[in-house]
Amino acid sequence: GAGVSQSPRYKVAKRGQDVALRCDPISGHVSLFWYQQALGQGPEFLTYFQNEAQLDKSGLPSDRFFAERPEGSVSTLKIQRTQQEDSAVYLCASSSIAHLGRGPATNEQYFGPGTRLTVT
Amino acid sequence: GNSVTQMEGPVTLSEEAFLTINCTYTATGYPSLFWYVQYPGEGLQLLLKATKADDKGSNKGFEATYRKETTSFHLEKGSVQVSDSAVYFCALSLYNFNKFYFGSGTKLNVKP
Repeated sequence: GAGVSQSPRYKVAKRGQDVALRCDPISGHVSLFWYQQALGQGPEFLTYFQNEAQLDKSGLPSDRFFAERPEGSVSTLKIQRTQQEDSAVYLCASSSIAHLGRGPATNEQYFGPGTRLTVT
Repeated sequence: GNSVTQMEGPVTLSEEAFLTINCTYTATGYPSLFWYVQYPGEGLQLLLKATKADDKGSNKGFEATYRKETTSFHLEKGSVQVSDSAVYFCALSLYNFNKFYFGSGTKLNVKP
């Protein structure tokens, strides 16, 4: 596709249910990021993949959150035993070049439309 | 640590007015700076960026200058249009393709 796509766009879950959110990055993009955006706030980093390797998961708020990208393209963010505080928009972004370490960040991240999760 | 602080909104302006949205940052290294825009019902889009001190990013009539001495990256536009109504996010990134740190966003409403 032309851009990053995410599904579902909206998800309502009862507290305690497990959910799975999908991200299809731009074809060929090596880097993939997940962010969480609470209402009225800016996105906050959750985790980062380079191809299938999860290089940074420092932003995952608890062990109920799990992300994978087994073939280096599509990624899934899974939240187990959802809580009300998990209600947010979950954003996926992809970038064309891998993490090269120290140096200026010159390439942009392309964002998907997000999945709005509401936990009742 | 690393963080971005933006002026709180909403900002309401009449068409053709001058726009400034303030953004300041704190960083543990030498960051690259970005402005993203989110139009109603759409995803985040890169508006402009600057990778070193004194660089000026510009796009669609918007400009921002990387000021290292004041740790700022204020967004400006000389004459706003109704179509500029959106939420604007300032962000920084420290290393190539690493995570972004976003401000809380500033909502801009432009009235005809």
